[in-house]
Amino acid sequence: DTGVSQNPRHKITKRGQNVTFRCDPISEHNRLYWYRQTLGQGPEFLTYFQNEAQLEKSRLLSDRFSAERPKGSFSTLEIQRTEQGDSAMYLCASSKQGVHEQFFGPGTRLTVL
Amino acid sequence: GQQVMQIPQYQHVQEGEDFTTYCNSSTTLSNIQWYKQRPGGHPVFLIQLVKSGEVKKQKRLTFQFGEAKKNSSLHITATQTTDVGTYFCAEPSMNRDDKIIFGKGTRLHILP
Repeated sequence: DTGVSQNPRHKITKRGQNVTFRCDPISEHNRLYWYRQTLGQGPEFLTYFQNEAQLEKSRLLSDRFSAERPKGSFSTLEIQRTEQGDSAMYLCASSKQGVHEQFFGPGTRLTVL
Repeated sequence: GQQVMQIPQYQHVQEGEDFTTYCNSSTTLSNIQWYKQRPGGHPVFLIQLVKSGEVKKQKRLTFQFGEAKKNSSLHITATQTTDVGTYFCAEPSMNRDDKIIFGKGTRLHILP
């Protein structure tokens, strides 16, 4: 399967714990995006990368959220001191530079108890 | 922040009926994209429209981009159960063209 993959698919954690999600984009895609989606809403932009450079981080994102793409391939999204409001589906997408079409992974569903 | 207006939020149709969802922006857009998300699935790219007044068809789906490039529509003819899902339009961010902002989507439910 050469699509976008995300791990884990599901994560249940207690409030206050840290969690980390991983995204592996399509290999030739240099753009990588993170979104958050809650029930009945569209994907909400969190941050994105071009190769290893983080180009933008949403102003709505608190300092508890951090993302990396150290070698310009896979990316990780870490949430520190999770809160119940962080419960959502976290989606990763990738694209080629200059091509607007984004390919989404299956997402990681986070539940904070 | 930038918001993409999409209506209706929900639509129930009998199988075989037509369906339309509309997307409106306050700004002139360079392009607009449409995605479909099946229940329990992830968004899947359908199409991108770029030209003023552009009309593109994919089998029973017809996509239009307004003359002023401020609105777009997706029309499905003779809906089938496989059309169930949420349809999102997405427009480029005002500050970065390579970043897109999604609407809230229109959830289509087909009654058999």
